[in-house]
Amino acid sequence: EVQMVESGGGLVQPGGSLRLSCSASGFTFSNYNMDWVRQAPGKGLEWLSFISTTSSTISYADSVKGRFTISRDNAKDSLYLQMDSLRAEDTAVYYCARHYRGGVDYWGQGTLVTVSS
Amino acid sequence: QSALTQPPSASGSPGQSVTISCTGTSSDVGAYNYVSWYQQHPGKAPKLMIYEVTKRPSGVPDRFSGSKSGNTASLTVSGLQAEDEADYYCSSYADSYNYVFGTGTKVTVL
Repeated sequence: EVQMVESGGGLVQPGGSLRLSCSASGFTFSNYNMDWVRQAPGKGLEWLSFISTTSSTISYADSVKGRFTISRDNAKDSLYLQMDSLRAEDTAVYYCARHYRGGVDYWGQGTLVTVSS
Repeated sequence: QSALTQPPSASGSPGQSVTISCTGTSSDVGAYNYVSWYQQHPGKAPKLMIYEVTKRPSGVPDRFSGSKSGNTASLTVSGLQAEDEADYYCSSYADSYNYVFGTGTKVTVL
């Protein structure tokens, strides 16, 4: 069974940093491109970042470019999102997502990040 | 990248059909056949319903169908059932490994 479990969310002050992790199981992680997607409370989905299987291709939404860094460790079946210079508008549930043919076929359960003083 | 435009709400009675539009530009929806649709129930993670404009993942009922014309993609849910009541989002590839989601549509089964 495909599973992805995010961790690392929590309360952080504006300007602070947080590192999210996503542990994948049930599939060959190294064979799949991956994404991070977020959803602010009561709002819609927002694509944040994409990483290819070998990390050779990485892209970011303009809203997080220069502040967030995506990475992966195929040996550990893990995906990461380093989030720096956090703002109140970054408050959201962050989803780890398995990329599939231009979309996402599996999602984690999400981890909540709250940016507040 | 601007979000794709979806109607905020749509509704239909059980057994009826409802169609949700997803309007983008010639740089995203109009340029690529990488449009996906997701269903999200409250408090749950989204679920893939359609990928590559018209394809259904295994396990998704054939009541769900997708199409595209120009810069607008559409999701049709036929034979509406109570469990179809949810939020629906479209997404599209938008060049250079960038992606964009739609604004979301709340479907109500009357």
